[in-house]
Amino acid sequence: QMQLQESGPGLVKPSQTLSLTCTVSGGSVTSGSHYWSWIRQPAGKGLEWIGRVFFSGSTDYNPSLKSRVTISVDTSQNQFSLKLRSVTAADTAVYYCARCERNLWVFDIWGQGTLVAVSS
Amino acid sequence: SYVLTQPPSVSVAPGQTARLTCGGNNIGSKSVHWYQQRPGQAPVLVVYDDSDRPSGIPERFSGSNFGNTATLTISRVEAGDEADYYCQVWDRSSDLVVFGGGTKLTVL
Repeated sequence: QMQLQESGPGLVKPSQTLSLTCTVSGGSVTSGSHYWSWIRQPAGKGLEWIGRVFFSGSTDYNPSLKSRVTISVDTSQNQFSLKLRSVTAADTAVYYCARCERNLWVFDIWGQGTLVAVSS
Repeated sequence: SYVLTQPPSVSVAPGQTARLTCGGNNIGSKSVHWYQQRPGQAPVLVVYDDSDRPSGIPERFSGSNFGNTATLTISRVEAGDEADYYCQVWDRSSDLVVFGGGTKLTVL
């Protein structure tokens, strides 16, 4: 059964870059049927889609974050990654990676999430 | 941009039926998905494509989608159903994923 696992620093200083990796096990990121996405959730708030990457490397981002976000895929490591630049306290959230089925745009498998705090 | 509107909270007694709504302009033309999120846990898909259930999700969970409202119905509600529920669509016109604000289901 496929599993996704986020990893990366739990604390980032303001103005620096948040970097997270999602490792996929029990399946492959080269699936032509799926996108690989990042979603975040500030404490006590709802879900916000950050963006997606296809195994080919093509990406799409939420316009509200587009200027600061890069999502990439490493097929050799079966991983995909998130970089969010110039972070502020407003970027403090639980960050989830998730698999997205292409035809229906449904997130059918989620990682457990990782809390990233932005603080000096 | 496309907006999905969910009531912040719904309360229901055990054994009763909970109906959670998700409003959006002509949402009936879109494919709606529902996620359950228990406290401290990642979201779990409970209904996809308006009314289909992933394997392992009880038949008590069902969905419908007509006009401007999609509905997640939970029959014979149990204490373990207490959670936040989010609806989600893909807006073709903007090529964006959109989540509703979530509904907190309280089991009295």
